[in-house]
Amino acid sequence: GAVVSQHPSWVICKSGTSVKIECRSLDFQATTMFWYRQFPKQSLMLMATSNEGSKATYEQGVEKDKFLINHASLTLSTLTVTSAHPEDSSFYICSARRPRSSYEQYFGPGTRLTVT
Amino acid sequence: AQSVTQLDSQVPVFEEAPVELRCNYSSSVSVYLFWYVQYPNQGLQLLLKYLSGSTLVKGINGFEAEFNKSQTSFHLRKPSVHISDTAEYFCAVSAGGADGLTFGKGTHLIIQP
Repeated sequence: GAVVSQHPSWVICKSGTSVKIECRSLDFQATTMFWYRQFPKQSLMLMATSNEGSKATYEQGVEKDKFLINHASLTLSTLTVTSAHPEDSSFYICSARRPRSSYEQYFGPGTRLTVT
Repeated sequence: AQSVTQLDSQVPVFEEAPVELRCNYSSSVSVYLFWYVQYPNQGLQLLLKYLSGSTLVKGINGFEAEFNKSQTSFHLRKPSVHISDTAEYFCAVSAGGADGLTFGKGTHLIIQP
């Protein structure tokens, strides 16, 4: 199988601080990783596409200076929420795509962020 | 841009009964279609996908879906559900393999004994 992990699974931070979320592909190399955000009772919204060794591509309306994405290796992408505010509280989910795969994305279990 | 509509936020079904979860999409280009399932406290798992070819797609756990281009639909069906099928089901589309997914709001399938 293809396993994707996220760390931490749950984090609480104070308003104004930054928090980093890690996404790792455990048993395959992922040239492309995606970050999604899910609000309660709503669908997942694509935030950005991250390709190894290059800058992330952000969806319209997503602040790239606030949500910093780094894809430094083929198995790790990080999302840093800078100067977090209560409205950033959400469920953040990453996915990873294998090279030359049949368009399938493998999802991590998600990270619950609560900003107080 | 694409969009996905899952009309039913919640579907209660008795165990061993058939179920259909509806999904409609809109897109100005050809799309690839997916159904994902999310069990409590777990990541999304791919049930099935339509890329091209036969419009009837079979997936894991006895699920199948039919792509209907004229009705822009990709409804998910299972002839007989089990308690273990209780989960959130998401329909998603993608315009290309390198693109992210556009998801519907999800349908909570509730299996009643």
